[in-house]
Amino acid sequence: DSGVTQTPKHLITATGQRVTLRCSPRSGDLSVYWYQQSLDQGLQFLIQYYNGEERAKGNILERFSAQQFPDLHSELNLSSLELGDSALYFCASSPQGMTAGANVLTFGAGSRLTVL
Amino acid sequence: AQSVTQPDIHITVSEGASLELRCNYSYGATPYLFWYVQSPGQGLQLLLKYFSGDTLVQGIKGFEAEFKRSQSSFNLRKPSVHWSDAAEYFCAVGGYNKLIFGAGTRLAVHP
Repeated sequence: DSGVTQTPKHLITATGQRVTLRCSPRSGDLSVYWYQQSLDQGLQFLIQYYNGEERAKGNILERFSAQQFPDLHSELNLSSLELGDSALYFCASSPQGMTAGANVLTFGAGSRLTVL
Repeated sequence: AQSVTQPDIHITVSEGASLELRCNYSYGATPYLFWYVQSPGQGLQLLLKYFSGDTLVQGIKGFEAEFKRSQSSFNLRKPSVHWSDAAEYFCAVGGYNKLIFGAGTRLAVHP
């Protein structure tokens, strides 16, 4: 157990729907990162939050949004879902708020999203 | 732009054999370099990292990696592979605002 908790583990939904993925970072970590892993795109960085504020942005679609709450948990909202959004979504956390590239990340087990 | 290339998609080795997984990166300055491992159904776990200093870094599970600036490489090595090492391995380069992962190398271990 890495200490990073992601729910749900599996989610099946239909095109056009909206889902929310939740992440609780490791105790003491202030930064949360979201990654998307798919067969054709590999691991893609979506977004980083540090202590409630957006810190860095990657290849996140406009249909996707995220936030980090005062208790430091984070949610990734995916809307108007398309077949191509089917993927494994990872949350990771780190202690520092330094730029994403300089941090050691602890990953959760992921949320597998299937869009039918 | 930052990029990471892992030339080998699949590698198969026999248990007890040595292992080298290749990683080449592109980055304008001195990069932060990482190797992560992903077991089936699991998230990624850090094996080792290079930030500065000694170019040969030791990691967990008996892995090591060597940073070679002249070759823009950060290859992962293990002298004797165990069946439990079967997994997918990701090299990553950290720049100013993001961590970029390679496509991964899937390692199979034959008994």
